[in-house]
Amino acid sequence: GAGVSQSPRYKVAKRGQDVALRCDPISGHVSLFWYQQALGQGPEFLTYFQNEAQLDKSGLPSDRFFAERPEGSVSTLKIQRTQQEDSAVYLCASSPLRYHDEQYFGPGTRLTVT
Amino acid sequence: DQQVKQNSPSLSVQEGRISILNCDYTNSMFDYFLWYKKYPAEGPTFLISISSIKDKNEDGRFTVFLNKSAKHLSLHIVPSQPGDSAVYFCAASDRATGNQFYFGTGTSLTVIP
Repeated sequence: GAGVSQSPRYKVAKRGQDVALRCDPISGHVSLFWYQQALGQGPEFLTYFQNEAQLDKSGLPSDRFFAERPEGSVSTLKIQRTQQEDSAVYLCASSPLRYHDEQYFGPGTRLTVT
Repeated sequence: DQQVKQNSPSLSVQEGRISILNCDYTNSMFDYFLWYKKYPAEGPTFLISISSIKDKNEDGRFTVFLNKSAKHLSLHIVPSQPGDSAVYFCAASDRATGNQFYFGTGTSLTVIP
């Protein structure tokens, strides 16, 4: 079956631009996670959805970051007024279980802010 | 503050030999641990997990060992194969309180044919 897909795969933005990153989780997966992976680092948690409810957004680095999952399936991570430090790979993961025993990751979106 | 640490950024092993990847954590509340494997330009792929009620979990060529008193886990791959060459991340979570996994910085494994 289809895995987690993310689009675009690569995004170059000028500093100050807004960007929107899309995640299509595996069909039927209840939980959806966003992670940020800087170069040479492991993924760092940003936010978590259970269906359409955003239950944890403690990892969002600033109020420029906003995520939504309005119908409990596709999710969008929006970054407003991008800064150079936002350059990273943004990973989306989904899991079928309420307690996310295993998370299935998408290929990521590489964001470069110039 | 890195709660999960992988102190070896890279490891090279001959094909057929054992690969041992190590991971240390600081939060004693972590009760679930996973290893993920990542190829370039792909997302991490789940490999194996272990709950804190166990000290070993085995799946084919992959075995994860957990030493709770030392807050240390390791992944053993035997025999190592060239296709195992990838970056390996360990991750941990506190299932009672958290929805997130805490990842280490990864170890790049190269298996030499």
